[in-house]
This record gives sequence, structure tokens and C-alpha cells, in this order.
Amino acid sequence: IAGITQAPTSQILAAGRRMTLRCTQDMRHNAMYWYRQDLGLGLRLIHYSNTAGTTGKGEVPDGYSVSRANTDDFPLTLASAVPSQTSVYFCATGEEGGTYNEQFFGPGTRLTVL
Amino acid sequence: AQKVTQAQTEISVVEKEDVTLDCVYETRDTTYYLFWYKQPPSGELVFLIRRNSFDEQNEISGRYSWNFQKSTSSFNFTITASQVVDSAVYFCALSEDQGAQKLVFGQGTRLTINP
Repeated sequence: IAGITQAPTSQILAAGRRMTLRCTQDMRHNAMYWYRQDLGLGLRLIHYSNTAGTTGKGEVPDGYSVSRANTDDFPLTLASAVPSQTSVYFCATGEEGGTYNEQFFGPGTRLTVL
Repeated sequence: AQKVTQAQTEISVVEKEDVTLDCVYETRDTTYYLFWYKQPPSGELVFLIRRNSFDEQNEISGRYSWNFQKSTSSFNFTITASQVVDSAVYFCALSEDQGAQKLVFGQGTRLTINP
């Protein structure tokens, strides 16, 4: 593994189904993030985690949940998908606090909810 | 609340022209960070620059330069002698210096460089 991996690359999902997007990093960064990208809106933060065992809500958390059982993994779950959750989802990592403030992004997951 | 505005939705220029992408931000924090990311057609997000609020010195990296002006809350990005490979969507972003460095993104500017 090099950097950040996301799975699946893309998915078509029926409304009402449960879906988990996976994100794994090998950079040992403390902080991890989930963003969604929608045309004309840029990227918006869904949930974040400062460190393993903690999570927080971002700008658009409704309909999503996350967990951070360890440093490397940060899955995003849609409990009951709706068409408005059709988007491209990016996982990111970074070093929390201090002056090292760059975020590294995964390749993204394209999700379509029908 | 934080906000980033990229008023230019799309820009199209001919190769070798200079082009400036505008970014205006809003924040109540005195300490914050500004970023530019590039998203080429392949879809990944590529980090270009980070600037903290205490450093207003402009930066140049090859054909890229950034003009940070706190007086106008702007962090503009200029590409000199543009090339076709510069075609991408460019995002400006802002983060506070409190806890997790959550990024607030602008809407993005789609830049097309025509040969």
C-alpha cells in the first residue's frame, strides 16, 4: 500500500441500501477526513477524526457515520442511501495540529444512488 | 463562519497566456491556513501550496505564483506562460488553526488551456 487507498473505485447503489466506503492509509497520520465533491460546490467535509478512537462532524454529516478503531482505517457508512448522496467521495489524511498542515487525498470513490 | 469564494467558474485561455485564478476568503480567526489544490481530469487532488496567515510574502514556484493579501482577504494564483497540462479544476481552501485541520473549499475554477 502506498499512501491512501479507497474502495470501491465506483459503485452504483439502490436507494435504501447500506453501503460502507473504505479508506486505508499507510502514512501513520493522526487525522483523517471524509469529503464529498459535488459540481459547483467544491468539496465539503462530512466527518473527521483527530486520532484513533475519536470522530467529529463536519459540514454535511447527516446520513453518514464513521468509526476510527485504529490509525490506518476510517470507513464511511451510509446507513440507508438516498439519491442526494450521489457524489464523489474523497478520504484525506493529515497531521493534526502544529505547522504541518497539508492534507493528502485518496483517489476517490464515485457513488451513484438510484 | 469560514467561507471561500472562487468567483470564476470557468476560464479558457490560449496556451502561453498568463492566467490568474481568484480566491477570496472569510474567517474570524487570526491564525489560519490557505491552500491551493489542483484536480486534473484524472480526478485526483494534487496539493500545490500552503500559506499561513502570518506569512504574507508572495511565493513563486516555476511558472506558478501566489499573491496573498490579508487586506483584501485574497489568495490569488497566477500561472505564467500557461501550458495544456495546466488544464484542470483548481480549488482554494482554508483551515483554522484549531484542532483538526478541517478544510473549507471554494467552489473551484475549471481552467482550460487551448493549444
